[in-house]
Amino acid sequence: DQQVKQNSPSLSVQEGRISILNCDYTNSMFDYFLWYKKYPAEGPTFLISISSIKDKNEDGRFTVFLNKSAKHLSLHIVPSQPGDSAVYFCAASDSGGGADGLTFGKGTHLIIQP
Amino acid sequence: DTAVSQTPKYLVTQMGNDKSIKCEQNLGHDTMYWYKQDSKKFLKIMFSYNNKELIINETVPNRFSPKSPDKAHLNLHINSLELGDSAVYFCASSPWSVGPKLPEAFFGQGTRLTVV
Repeated sequence: DQQVKQNSPSLSVQEGRISILNCDYTNSMFDYFLWYKKYPAEGPTFLISISSIKDKNEDGRFTVFLNKSAKHLSLHIVPSQPGDSAVYFCAASDSGGGADGLTFGKGTHLIIQP
Repeated sequence: DTAVSQTPKYLVTQMGNDKSIKCEQNLGHDTMYWYKQDSKKFLKIMFSYNNKELIINETVPNRFSPKSPDKAHLNLHINSLELGDSAVYFCASSPWSVGPKLPEAFFGQGTRLTVV
């Protein structure tokens, strides 16, 4: 049972344009969401997060939007750069404690084309 | 300096063997985790340790056992390896937190285990 779903296995975007990665979740107990970026042969690295008390969080070129009623979040990258080519994982957790771990989606492979 | 380091990076072994993967973090975090990324690319949590106490065990076979000699280390021991254990295993750590903000976890580079 996938509690966090990333329905697009891959996404190709032209350099300079906006990349939009989507994520849906089913567990209504989730109230904290994170995006991780992963290069081949490396571990995931934290990118940006959002608490359920917000609907938007921005950090430089990266913005995460949260729609609680739709149980949907998205990551916007603008402008997209070649170094953004990677696999992006959406992750979620409830705030019951730091030891609960994260529930990850399957990832979306973002390819930035020159 | 690598924040979360795990060794080895690659491990090829025969069925039935016993193997260990080591993990160390120098971030002073209270909680460490082991995640498994299977062939379908799902990252799933296996264990977490907080202050040397096992917090969760997500229906992982008892052939897998985490060992934490101290707060900075969480090693993964696997007995009687099976073909289905082939996967990438990630170690991670985070500060302990209770409340609305869950701190992000820092991941190691992964260990690709291949059982033949």
